Amino acid sequence: QVQLVQSGAEVKKPGASVKVSCKVSGYTLTELSMHWVRQAPGKGLEWMGGFDPEDGETIYAQKFQGRVTMTEDTSTDTAYMELSSLRSEDTAVYYCATIGHSWFFDYWGQGTLVTVSS
Amino acid sequence: QSALTQPASVSGSPGQSITISCTGTSSDVGGYNYVSWYQQHPGKAPKLMIYEVSNRPSGVSNRFSGSKSGNTASLTISGLQAEDEADYYCSSYTSSSRYVVFGGGTKLTVL
Repeated sequence: QVQLVQSGAEVKKPGASVKVSCKVSGYTLTELSMHWVRQAPGKGLEWMGGFDPEDGETIYAQKFQGRVTMTEDTSTDTAYMELSSLRSEDTAVYYCATIGHSWFFDYWGQGTLVTVSS
Repeated sequence: QSALTQPASVSGSPGQSITISCTGTSSDVGGYNYVSWYQQHPGKAPKLMIYEVSNRPSGVSNRFSGSKSGNTASLTISGLQAEDEADYYCSSYTSSSRYVVFGGGTKLTVL
């Protein structure tokens, strides 16, 4: 069984960057395709990007291109999502989630609240 | 505005059945059998309920079923129970540059 454990809540100032981690257990990160989804307070789910196993590349939603970087440390089975140039609209819960072969999210982390406030 | 359109809310009484719709285009819902549904209780992470339009993961009640017709997918919950009260989101692969799109979510109230 896959388990995803994310890092704790963060408070950042506008213009800063945040890096959220997602530790995998039960499987190795190389066996999974990790993606990131966020949810602003009271709002719906928004896909940010992740690893496309068909192309072997990390893909990003157009909205976040240039501001987000998703990386993986296979030695520790930990995935990271870094978002830069933060603004108040980036206040949200950020989830890591593994994606199945037909683009469904089967396992989810517990979520990390990122608050952007001056 | 979300890429997939869902009703903001639906309601039903215990024991009844409800259906939540998810409308997209031929570039997403209509073009691929890659529709999935998620249940989210307040303060919790989403949970996969249906994948590939109509498949249930192990452990998900058979009261949950999915279907698709043209550009609209549907989630049906039969024999409503109090614990089904939650937000429900649909998702689909899309051939546009965004790859994955979600619906805006539907709040299910069990009366």
